[in-house]
Amino acid sequence: DGGITQSPKYLFRKEGQNVTLSCEQNLNHDAMYWYRQDPGQGLRLIYYSQIVNDFQKGDIAEGYSVSREKKESFPLTVTSAQKNPTAFYLCASSMQVDQPQHFGDGTRLSIL
Amino acid sequence: GQQVMQIPQYQHVQEGEDFTTYCNSSTTLSNIQWYKQRPGGHPVFLIQLVKSGEVKKQKRLTFQFGEAKKNSSLHITATQTTDVGTYFCAGTTSGTYKYIFGTGTRLKVLA
Repeated sequence: DGGITQSPKYLFRKEGQNVTLSCEQNLNHDAMYWYRQDPGQGLRLIYYSQIVNDFQKGDIAEGYSVSREKKESFPLTVTSAQKNPTAFYLCASSMQVDQPQHFGDGTRLSIL
Repeated sequence: GQQVMQIPQYQHVQEGEDFTTYCNSSTTLSNIQWYKQRPGGHPVFLIQLVKSGEVKKQKRLTFQFGEAKKNSSLHITATQTTDVGTYFCAGTTSGTYKYIFGTGTRLKVLA
């Protein structure tokens, strides 16, 4: 079955620590996205990538970094510079950037 | 910057009643998408509207895109308990590839 796999499902971060959230898709999609969702809120775009080896900042990129070395993979690193990282992180992909997005099951990140 | 607002924020309806959520953008959109997110789940794509004044139907769901392409609505006829969730609109403007999600409308259906 084709889809998007996010791991881990739950993640805990210590103060001053960087953590990396994994996102893998086997849908052969060119575009991939990372969103942050806070309780009772909508989705806010962190980063997006239209194609391999290219990515753009979204509206809340500060304290986050990404890479897109392979078409299937778009990992997100939450750095220690992100002072309020507790949230639900959703990865998505689409055939191209203006097409419907398919979402993974998300990763819940908390601070220890 | 571009903003997308949705109203209402919450809606409780009796099963069988109709439900409508409205999406309003501060700027003209090139297209708009609608998603449904069940409690504890991830957003699932429902539909995409591209043309001014476009109306699309999916069984009990009717989607409209305004003539000025700055607003959209989702109407559910005769709600069922399976309609429970949060409905989001997401719009993008010409020349960008960033979808701005609306604040969402959380629907509760009382049996």
